[in-house]
Amino acid sequence: QVQLVESGGGVVQPGGSLRLSCAASGFIFSSYGMHWVRQAPGKGLEWVAFIRYDGGYKWYADSVNGRFTISRDDSKNTLYLQMTSLRAEDTAVYYCAKDQRRTFDYWGQGTLVTVSS
Amino acid sequence: DFVMTQSPLSLPVTLGQPASISCRSSQSLVHSDGNTYLTWFQQRPGQSPRRLIYKVSNRDSGVPDRFSGSGSGTDFTLKISRVEADDVGVYYCMQGTHWPPWTFGQGTKVEIK
Repeated sequence: QVQLVESGGGVVQPGGSLRLSCAASGFIFSSYGMHWVRQAPGKGLEWVAFIRYDGGYKWYADSVNGRFTISRDDSKNTLYLQMTSLRAEDTAVYYCAKDQRRTFDYWGQGTLVTVSS
Repeated sequence: DFVMTQSPLSLPVTLGQPASISCRSSQSLVHSDGNTYLTWFQQRPGQSPRRLIYKVSNRDSGVPDRFSGSGSGTDFTLKISRVEADDVGVYYCMQGTHWPPWTFGQGTKVEIK
């Protein structure tokens, strides 16, 4: 069965950096695009970034463009999100999600990122 | 950017009664390939989102048939025919027709009266 397991969250100071990982299993990882979606405490869902199945194209929300970088390592079946210049408003649970032709069919359990001094 | 507007934002429902959530997009969600990429997710308290319905009305495997999706163009609806306690949570619509970005509605919180 499809499994997505995020890790790497934690507490970081404003201006700091953090790298999130999402370990995938149960499907052919290299054949699918992948997303990061976040949810601030008590708020709704916000799409953050997408990487195409071959890593050839990447898209970002305006709110993170230039600060976050999405990448993938198909040899490790792992998706990454490198976050820099973190702000208080980046505090959220970050989910990875599998793309399926313009929808998200599976989600991970999420990892919490807290940006605070 | 596209805006997805859900209503109501809070929906108290009596067990066994029907519930209906509306989702409206700022522009048509019909793609040039003829499909309409409107998805509904359920997020139970303390859990990650789970997809219920994709392309307006296609129910995912394991989703009870009391959930149904309908609509076209800019107006979409998620219906629960008879609400059960297990249905408590927040429901989100999302458009995947015009990306980036993928855009979610604000969420509708379903609770039991």
